Amino acid sequence: DTGVSQDPRHKITKRGQNVTFRCDPISEHNRLYWYRQTLGQGPEFLTYFQNEAQLEKSRLLSDRFSAERPKGSFSTLEIQRTEQGDSAMYLCASSSTGELFFGEGSRLTVL
Amino acid sequence: AQRVTQPEKLLSVFKGAPVELKCNYSYSGSPELFWYVQYSRQRLQLLLRHISRESIKGFTADLNKGETSFHLKKPFAQEEDSAMYYCALSGPGGYQKVTFGIGTKLQVIP
Repeated sequence: DTGVSQDPRHKITKRGQNVTFRCDPISEHNRLYWYRQTLGQGPEFLTYFQNEAQLEKSRLLSDRFSAERPKGSFSTLEIQRTEQGDSAMYLCASSSTGELFFGEGSRLTVL
Repeated sequence: AQRVTQPEKLLSVFKGAPVELKCNYSYSGSPELFWYVQYSRQRLQLLLRHISRESIKGFTADLNKGETSFHLKKPFAQEEDSAMYYCALSGPGGYQKVTFGIGTKLQVIP
């Protein structure tokens, strides 16, 4: 197991386009988290799953954002009608004991 | 609402000097507190969590419920300690939403 992996690592898109990020957690981890991080800020919570159930979603998250974890394994984060303010690093983490194991992140640039 | 405050964005210390990275939190109940670290070009990783009561790489942190603080300390800074440090908070057991502070960049001057 190589740890948490995220794909793509970098995405450049035009405003208004849809983008999707994928996260593959550590295989035995039942919890999966998505965070967003911008320059000079800490990771901002977006949502998290226990197995396939989405347990909490940030109230700051607009309806353009949706996340799924269909079989309790990998997860996808989709952003519809992207805006320039969506430009950020999107981090995925997985956990089984409370310690978060992070991926390297997916950097989104919206032009 | 749960909140983590790290008042210093940058802390510069000389090699061999003591280090204290401050963290205050707001939470209704008994939280679990963590320190995460990100070294240059590496992914974010756990440094320590308060329930383990371990010293990792010479760092310790004590949970002070009266002052709602979880400051990170090291008696003698090393150059390899230079990194971004994030304080984080979760519900009991760490099995809930994890909230991070904005981070403190530690710069150890040779």
